[in-house]
Amino acid sequence: QVQLVQSGAEVKRPGASVKVSCKASGYTFTSYDINWVRQAAGQGLEWMGWMDPNNGDGGSAPKFQGRVTVTRDTSTSTAYMELNNVRSEDTAVYFCARGKQDYDTLTGSYRYTFDLWGQGTKVTVSS
Amino acid sequence: QSVLTQPPSVSAAPGQKVTISCSGSNSNIGNNYVAWYQQLPGTAPKLLIYDNNKRPSGIPDRFSGSKSGTSATLGITGLQTGDEADYYCGAWDGSLGDVLFGGGTKLTVL
Repeated sequence: QVQLVQSGAEVKRPGASVKVSCKASGYTFTSYDINWVRQAAGQGLEWMGWMDPNNGDGGSAPKFQGRVTVTRDTSTSTAYMELNNVRSEDTAVYFCARGKQDYDTLTGSYRYTFDLWGQGTKVTVSS
Repeated sequence: QSVLTQPPSVSAAPGQKVTISCSGSNSNIGNNYVAWYQQLPGTAPKLLIYDNNKRPSGIPDRFSGSKSGTSATLGITGLQTGDEADYYCGAWDGSLGDVLFGGGTKLTVL
């Protein structure tokens, strides 16, 4: 069935890097963008960045620029999110989400819609 | 403090109707599409509404969305205990260059 399956929980020391994977199945991987969203315990959703699996283009939220890298392996339909120099505030559940994001020229509006989500990966940063 | 403002909680009895507001500005809701997500306890978010008022296939018509100016509203009719969840609005912000989410609203079905 159509799904995104993420890698398992991670525990990292401050200053380390963490890499989370997101394997797509049931649809054409290169036809939809992949986004990354995180959620700290008891908190709301926070968008981190996105990637077009078709060509590898993407971008990150201003808060994460220079610290997050989103890549993909089209041979395995897998996207990856790597967060560098992690700190305690990065402790959260990280979700990948299939996205439809474009600019509607008729209305002049941007559309960012996440229609399929992975199950989440808990990342704990602790010394 | 989220740029998109939602009430922290709402509640209503089974079978009743509830609305959840999401207030923003011209740089986000005012000029871009709004989406709504439902997050049941311990699960990933699920898309409920996109493009302000459209429902993905499989989402019952008990759920509706609207937008006016710089505010959006999610409506849920015929409340069920299974609707108890956190609800989030989301939109692109052209000034910030960021996808914003509201702080979330916890729905309790009494």
